[in-house]
Amino acid sequence: GAGVSQSPSNKVTEKGKDVELRCDPISGHTALYWYRQRLGQGLEFLIYFQGNSAPDKSGLPSDRFSAERTGESVSTLTIQRTQQEDSAVYLCASSLGTGEDQPQHFGDGTRLSIL
Amino acid sequence: ILNVEQSPQSLHVQEGDSTNFTCSFPSSNFYALHWYRWETAKSPEALFVMTLNGDEKKKGRISATLNTKEGYSYLYIKGSQPEDSATYLCAFNSGYALNFGKGTSLLVTP
Repeated sequence: GAGVSQSPSNKVTEKGKDVELRCDPISGHTALYWYRQRLGQGLEFLIYFQGNSAPDKSGLPSDRFSAERTGESVSTLTIQRTQQEDSAVYLCASSLGTGEDQPQHFGDGTRLSIL
Repeated sequence: ILNVEQSPQSLHVQEGDSTNFTCSFPSSNFYALHWYRWETAKSPEALFVMTLNGDEKKKGRISATLNTKEGYSYLYIKGSQPEDSATYLCAFNSGYALNFGKGTSLLVTP
């Protein structure tokens, strides 16, 4: 079946604009995660969704970041009033559940560049 | 934020060489240790998920070991090939989200 799909693959925008990133998880995967990797840094956890439970937003770096997920399907990550430090590769992952032995399946990412 | 350290940061070997990398992580509240391979322009690919102290897992020429008491894992590649060139990430699972190291970038030249 299809893997995790992210769009757009690349996004260049001016500082101060809002951007919306999309993630389609693998069908049947109840858990969905957003991560980002800034230049020279490791992958950084942003937010986690599990089924219909309230998301864990503990990794969001500021209130300019928000994310939604419709049921157990598509998720969107929105960054308002973008800043240059938001430039990063944003990765989405999904897994069958939240058991610690469940691997996370990643999309190809969205490379976001803020001018 | 949980500290996951990987070494070396980068490695350059010749085709046919065997190599290994280290991942160190907090030894308390351990749930699982993940290894991923991330090739340029592709998505990270899960290699192993390890949960038990003393675990050893193998996938072709790649294997990994786990020591949860002292907080480290080794990834071994036997007879490296150019297609093994990638960044190898380890991640510590302390609940559900993964805490990643910065990775080891491997380059294998013919």
